Amino acid sequence: GQQVMQIPQYQHVQEGEDFTTYCNSSTTLSNIQWYKQRPGGHPVFLIQLVKSGEVKKQKRLTFQFGEAKKNSSLHITATQTTDVGTYFCAGPSSARQLTFGSGTQLTVLP
Amino acid sequence: DTAVSQTPKYLVTQMGNDKSIKCEQNLGHDTMYWYKQDSKKFLKIMFSYNNKELIINETVPNRFSPKSPDKAHLNLHINSLELGDSAVYFCASTVAGAGNEQFFGPGTRLTVL
Repeated sequence: GQQVMQIPQYQHVQEGEDFTTYCNSSTTLSNIQWYKQRPGGHPVFLIQLVKSGEVKKQKRLTFQFGEAKKNSSLHITATQTTDVGTYFCAGPSSARQLTFGSGTQLTVLP
Repeated sequence: DTAVSQTPKYLVTQMGNDKSIKCEQNLGHDTMYWYKQDSKKFLKIMFSYNNKELIINETVPNRFSPKSPDKAHLNLHINSLELGDSAVYFCASTVAGAGNEQFFGPGTRLTVL
């Protein structure tokens, strides 16, 4: 079945440093979504990418979808303590289901 | 005005017991899900359900059963609880379609002693 892997699994950064998490799918994706889960919270949708090579920005967050639509990345510029959490990518595995990546747990040290 | 709600938030119970977790969404969505999140934060889908079709992840033990009284509710019933069932369970909902945004409930932390 479809597998979606993310690296790294854990990342500790000093506040102000940049952070990137990478997502790789075993199959070509029609689209990819990113979610953020704060500690003790639930996953919250951030963005969806649909087109090959697409780049989208949300303030300090930059999302990319690979040309082959099998990989994606999330880059955070100048991290803040509010960025702490687990970031998941997710891709459709069927008409109704998403397969979530393994997640990257980000810790931001003040 | 919680979009997806779950009860209870915490559930502590003994091995062998039967328990249920309730989920309700007021978004008018037609598809609901149950996910299990383990201590390493892996999110694993257990079920997806709409009023026409139930899709069960083949790795889910048959001790777990979803029950949907109507489109806005999808409850999770667990028989004969085991230690390994301890996890956070999330309900989610969406509008059916490939890769539509999912809205998650706050989660239920289940601890089996």
